[in-house]
Amino acid sequence: SSELTQDPAVSVALGQTVRITCQGDSLRSYFASWYQQKPGQAPVFVIFGEKNRPSGTPDRFSASTSGNTASLTITGVQAEDEAEYYCNCRHSSGNHWVFGGGTKLTVL
Amino acid sequence: EVQLVESGGGLVQPGGSLRLSCAGSGFNLGSHAMSWVRQAPGKGLEWVSTISGNGVNTYYADSVVKGRFTISRDNSKNTLYLQMNSLRADDTAVYYCVRDLLEWVTLDYWGQGTLVTVSS
Repeated sequence: SSELTQDPAVSVALGQTVRITCQGDSLRSYFASWYQQKPGQAPVFVIFGEKNRPSGTPDRFSASTSGNTASLTITGVQAEDEAEYYCNCRHSSGNHWVFGGGTKLTVL
Repeated sequence: EVQLVESGGGLVQPGGSLRLSCAGSGFNLGSHAMSWVRQAPGKGLEWVSTISGNGVNTYYADSVVKGRFTISRDNSKNTLYLQMNSLRADDTAVYYCVRDLLEWVTLDYWGQGTLVTVSS
């Protein structure tokens, strides 16, 4: 089982806004990162913390943290955003990475 | 352009060994901690191991590795390694080589992965 908990699946209508959440005690100590994975492809880094996006990430992707919950928000979802999304962060107990179980985003 | 290219995967019998390699380009590998993350077929991502930029410090997911895997690096060759011994069927996965932007901050570049299949 994952030490970060994500909803297995979320769906959203094209052009709407969706929030994907990630819960875990380690998020009280460390910021989450989010990764996008499309079928048959490697994960791609999307965002870290609340504002740190790599140059290839559209600005419709944003993130936030409150207590033990991190959120990834996609505003104005596009068809190409359909993918699996994983959160991760440093484990609060030491030098380990932990991952969420992933959320499959379906764009309707 | 940062690139990570894994190699060394394949079919191996239970109890066997494999050594994975990851060649980095477009950046100085020695300036970054590096990690291995694996993904079993149809499953999520699972951290395996991390090594500091200078190779002095190594970290393992004990529940996964249990002393069977060894991470190492040769910065002069811009290459990361994962020696895997006593392989089991549940080690079957795609193994990704991943760059730590800063140690324990985020994982910013991923290789395409190499498939390891443990089966008789």
